[in-house]
Amino acid sequence: NAGVTQTPKFRVLKTGQSMTLLCAQDMNHEYMYWYRQDPGMGLRLIHYSVGEGTTAKGEVPDGYNVSRLKKQNFLLGLESAAPSQTSVYFCATRSGLVEQFFGPGTRLTVL
Amino acid sequence: AQSVTQLDSQVPVFEEAPVELRCNYSSSVSVYLFWYVQYPNQGLQLLLKYLSGSTLVKGINGFEAEFNKSQTSFHLRKPSVHISDTAEYFCAVSESGPGGYNKLIFGAGTRLAVHP
Repeated sequence: NAGVTQTPKFRVLKTGQSMTLLCAQDMNHEYMYWYRQDPGMGLRLIHYSVGEGTTAKGEVPDGYNVSRLKKQNFLLGLESAAPSQTSVYFCATRSGLVEQFFGPGTRLTVL
Repeated sequence: AQSVTQLDSQVPVFEEAPVELRCNYSSSVSVYLFWYVQYPNQGLQLLLKYLSGSTLVKGINGFEAEFNKSQTSFHLRKPSVHISDTAEYFCAVSESGPGGYNKLIFGAGTRLAVHP
């Protein structure tokens, strides 16, 4: 029972490159979230999903796209990375209750 | 939209001393409140939560928090800290929306540094 896992753990990109971050969960939770964490700003919601095949924008969605083709996976894509997207990215899941469970994070640097 | 203010960005304290990390939120309507802890280079772990009922909430690792509706506060306390409590602590409030989703609104975090 792995809980919430994120792939990769670290990544360095050059400006303009693209990449996809994978969040996988084995808890059968309906809701999944992508956050970014920046110093002094806490965590900010990028996109979220209320179930398989659905996605919606959060607080800071620009420059990101997401997909939820399977219930257990939530993908975050950067089509053309920018230095402003240097951050630590966290995935979280939720069942019917309000508590969210977080993955270990992906540290992304864009040069 | 709701907001969360953590009043101290850093709190230095000596081992075995008591500590209070302060958190205020903006909404006066019914809320769900959380404290999460993040150890270096790790994800967030739930310390405790307030959903309803008793205003004094006990969590893991000896932490507790008190919900004060009139002051819209949810301060975190521990009577005696250990070196291992050194971490960043985040206060969060749950905000509901259409379709049954909810999202967490986080404060900026408080870095607790416990010194020997």
